[in-house]
Amino acid sequence: GESVGLHLPTLSVQEGDNSIINCAYSNSASDYFIWYKQESGKGPQFIIDIRSNMDKRQGQRVTVLLNKTVKHLSLQIAATQPGDSAVYFCAENANAGKSTFGDGTTLTVKP
Amino acid sequence: KAGVTQTPRYLIKTRGQQVTLSCSPISGHRSVSWYQQTPGQGLQFLFEYFSETQRNKGNFPGRFSGRQFSNSRSEMNVSTLELGDSALYLCASSLESTGGAADTQYFGPGTRLTVL
Repeated sequence: GESVGLHLPTLSVQEGDNSIINCAYSNSASDYFIWYKQESGKGPQFIIDIRSNMDKRQGQRVTVLLNKTVKHLSLQIAATQPGDSAVYFCAENANAGKSTFGDGTTLTVKP
Repeated sequence: KAGVTQTPRYLIKTRGQQVTLSCSPISGHRSVSWYQQTPGQGLQFLFEYFSETQRNKGNFPGRFSGRQFSNSRSEMNVSTLELGDSALYLCASSLESTGGAADTQYFGPGTRLTVL
């Protein structure tokens, strides 16, 4: 079956440092990947996505890298800020309307 | 555009009761998906509706059901509530233009259900 996993359940970084959150997936047929940020008491918020025909995509302070050979993707956050503290989920969407989520990484930014 | 809205935000029920949760998607979005989020199981897919039809279904018992109306609004129902149904229930909508690749899902704030 499909599964999506994250390498570390927690990550603590200093304010201003760069953060890297990793995710591994098992479904080689996956063609669309999304990173979400979830703050306490809120639903997941879309951050950035990438399709399988790309290996890198950049947004504002965030970059997603996709390595299809090893079925791995990562989220890089530049100059991490206290407001970035949240739980980050990677998700794979191979079927329309259905996303398979990883377990989440809790990012804590220390001032 | 207004985001995905869910009502109610909080709900307390007792075992054996039933509950109905409501979701209004982003205007123009035709697909609505439901997820259950618990600390132990994470985000689990319940089902997805598109054009008033259930198109995808997760591995949940028949006590969990849903429907979608012609205006794309959706409801989910849980009958004979169990303690383990306590969770955050999230609704997500996406455009899902027919024949296209998967579209981004945008989530609502969720309904926090507590079963006593």
